[in-house]
Amino acid sequence: AQRVTQPEKLLSVFKGAPVELKCNYSYSGSPELFWYVQYSRQRLQLLLRHISRESIKGFTADLNKGETSFHLKKPFAQEEDSAMYYCALRTGRRALTFGSGTRLQVQP
Amino acid sequence: DTEVTQTPKHLVMGMTNKKSLKCEQHMGHRAMYWYKQKAKKPPELMFVYSYEKLSINESVPSRFSPECPNSSLLNLHLHALQPEDSALYLCASSQVGRGGRIYEQYFGPGTRLTVT
Repeated sequence: AQRVTQPEKLLSVFKGAPVELKCNYSYSGSPELFWYVQYSRQRLQLLLRHISRESIKGFTADLNKGETSFHLKKPFAQEEDSAMYYCALRTGRRALTFGSGTRLQVQP
Repeated sequence: DTEVTQTPKHLVMGMTNKKSLKCEQHMGHRAMYWYKQKAKKPPELMFVYSYEKLSINESVPSRFSPECPNSSLLNLHLHALQPEDSALYLCASSQVGRGGRIYEQYFGPGTRLTVT
């Protein structure tokens, strides 16, 4: 069965520090991975998907099939990055399996 | 219109009530979803509709009854709910491409349901 693991419930960093939100997955097939973000009192929105290999708001994520990871990184955190981040896996079924989420707090 | 809208924003209902949650999108998406999100937990899939047909039911109790009357609307009918069903109910939609390929999901703001 597919599973997404986000080992950190809370990650607190200072403004300007590098950020890495960890995500590991288990799936025997060919996965599609996403990062979703939920800012305070806002809806869940897509941040990144691995197939597009893009950088959004300074965030990047690389799929490492050998380590079954899809960690989210940003070199210099900003206060406005404070939010809940969910890693999600889409398998052959038409839905997402979400990790438990990591709350990122960026302190001034 | 690039949003998924949900009504109502908040709903309080008793265990004997019948109510419905509504979701609407005008992006031409042919896949629509219901998720349930408890406090401080990730969204959990409940139902998936593809081309207005139910394609996935994640063993959801029958007191939750989904309906997709057309390609833009998705309803969730509620009857005889329990207090533990209190949660944020999220609707999402996505494009369906060739071979059933699914693109990213767009989420609505959710309906916060309280069952008393």
